[in-house]
Parts: sequence; C-alpha cells; structure tokens
Amino acid sequence: KQEVTQIPAALSVPEGENLVLNCSFTDSAIYNLQWFRQDPGKGLTSLLLIQSSQREQTSGRLNASLDKSSGRSTLYIAASQPGDSATYLCAVDSGGSNYKLTFGKGTLLTVNP
Amino acid sequence: ETGVTQTPRHLVMGMTNKKSLKCEQHLGHNAMYWYKQSAKKPLELMFVYNFKEQTENNSVPSRFSPECPNSSHLFLHLHTLQPEDSALYLCASSRGVGRRGGGTDTQYFGPGTRLTVL
Repeated sequence: KQEVTQIPAALSVPEGENLVLNCSFTDSAIYNLQWFRQDPGKGLTSLLLIQSSQREQTSGRLNASLDKSSGRSTLYIAASQPGDSATYLCAVDSGGSNYKLTFGKGTLLTVNP
Repeated sequence: ETGVTQTPRHLVMGMTNKKSLKCEQHLGHNAMYWYKQSAKKPLELMFVYNFKEQTENNSVPSRFSPECPNSSHLFLHLHTLQPEDSALYLCASSRGVGRRGGGTDTQYFGPGTRLTVL
C-alpha cells in the first residue's frame, strides 16, 4: 500500500527566502507525482505534475524534482512571497485503471512580510 | 474558479438527519471524484465515477451514498452520520481518459463542503 509523507508539517520563513518542501513515498512504482496548493477553506490547485520518466518540472518560481528510485520529491520555491502562504500537498498516482491519487498530509507554509 | 462548484459550502447536521452534497463541473469532463479531508489526516479518496459508472469505492461506510446522474453532476447522500464524519468533503473532476498512450488526467477540485456532525 502506497504511503506518502511530507516533511516538515509546518514551515515559517521571512519573505524573499528560498525554501524546499519534501515528499517521500514508499512504493517507487509510480505513474506520476503532483504537487498541489490548498488555500484555507478552498479546494486544491494543481501546481506541477512530474511523469515517472521525468526528473523535474518548472513553473515560474517553482521547481519540482523527482527521484523515483529513492522515493523522493522536492518542491523548491524561489524568492518566497506572502502570497505563497498555503498548504502544499504532494500526491502520487500509482497507476492502475483509475486515477487514484495517494496524498500526503501536507506542509503548511507561512511567508512573513 | 476551477470550473467545479460545490453546494452547500457549509453544513451542520445532527446524527439522525439526511442531507445531500452536490457537485457540478462545467469542464466537459467524464470522471468525477469524492474525497474526504479530515484534520491531521491525508486527503482520502472515497468514490470515483467514470462515464457515470462507479469505478472505485474505497471501503466507504454505507451511510455515504454517491449518485452520478450524468457526467456533470455528482451527489453524496448522507444519513445517520457520526461525529467523526465531520470533515471537508471535496469533489474533483477530470477528463477520464484511459491509460493508453500514457495519458495523464489532471484533477480539478471544487472548494469543498465543510460538514459538521453534531
């Protein structure tokens, strides 16, 4: 059974700092891995999706990497801004006929002005 | 706005009540999902519907009853719930493409219904 762990559970940084969020998964036979953002009281917004054959994906100030063999992914946020404050969720698609995502508990990020 | 709407946004109900959650997507998708998000727990998949057929029931208690009358609408009927069922219930939709060709199927989430069971 796939399990996804995210470290740290919470992170508080000053504005402008570069930061890394970590995600690990127990079964390396994955189809893809996604990072989502969730603002308080709202649903999830997909940020980046990395296919199992890829090593990284970039979107603006965000860069996600994937090391499938070691069961790890990182989300790098450059030059953080207060608007980046949210919960960041990692989810793994382990394949199969259904698009069944296994989520981590998330990292609550607070960027202080 | 993701194109997925959920109503109501907040719901308080007693354990003997019967209520329904509604999800509607305006994206032309064919797959719809119900997730449960409890405090301090990972998001849990409950049900998956693909082209109106239920393709996944993740061992959900029978007090939760899903209904998918068409590809645009998904309901979750609730009855005799327990206080531990209090959570944020999220709906999502996706194109519902198959795995052939290595396709991915990004899920678009609604804002959720915050359910409190007294």
